[in-house]
Amino acid sequence: QVQLVQSGAEVKKPGASVKVSCKASGYTFTSYGISWVRQAPGQGLEWMGWISAYNGNTNYAQKLQGRVTMTTDTSTSTAYMELRSLRSDDTAVYYCCSGDDAFDIWGQGTMVTVSS
Amino acid sequence: QSALTQPASVSGSPGQSITISCTGTSSDVGGYNYVSWYQQHPGKAPKLMIYEVSNRPSGVPDRFSGSKSGNTASLTISGLQAEDEADYYCSSYTSSSTLPNWVFGGGTKLTVL
Repeated sequence: QVQLVQSGAEVKKPGASVKVSCKASGYTFTSYGISWVRQAPGQGLEWMGWISAYNGNTNYAQKLQGRVTMTTDTSTSTAYMELRSLRSDDTAVYYCCSGDDAFDIWGQGTMVTVSS
Repeated sequence: QSALTQPASVSGSPGQSITISCTGTSSDVGGYNYVSWYQQHPGKAPKLMIYEVSNRPSGVPDRFSGSKSGNTASLTISGLQAEDEADYYCSSYTSSSTLPNWVFGGGTKLTVL
């Protein structure tokens, strides 16, 4: 079936980096873009950025510019999101989702905890 | 970009109808028909309920409907059921870049009394 499966939970220290993976199956990976969305504990959804799985073009939310990098590996139908210089307020569940008009497929989420 | 504005909470009794509003600007909700709505139960990933303002994905009950007027989009749930109790988020495409760029609302907690 159509699904996105993300990597497991991470615990990082402030200043470190984290890289989360998102493997697609059940559809043609290069047909749709992948967005990353995060949700801090008890808070709402925040769009982080988008990558075209077709040509690798990216667009990041302004507040994350310079700290986030999104990539794809079309040979394995996997998207990656790397966030650097982690701070305590980056603690959140990180979701990948596919779609260009709306986010119709979501990964299960990856909890990233930033704590000293 | 600023988040879209949603009421923090709404409530209704089983069988009743409720409407959740989502207010943006002419650069997002008012400028594009790419407004979508998501349902999120505690501890779960969001689920797409409405896309392109008023379209329902396969499998979403027709009790859920969407509309838009000017810079405000709305989600209406008719015939409320207990399982509809969840958080609801709107989202819109926004023109702050030539590449895909999205913004979410702050979320609305629906309580079924």
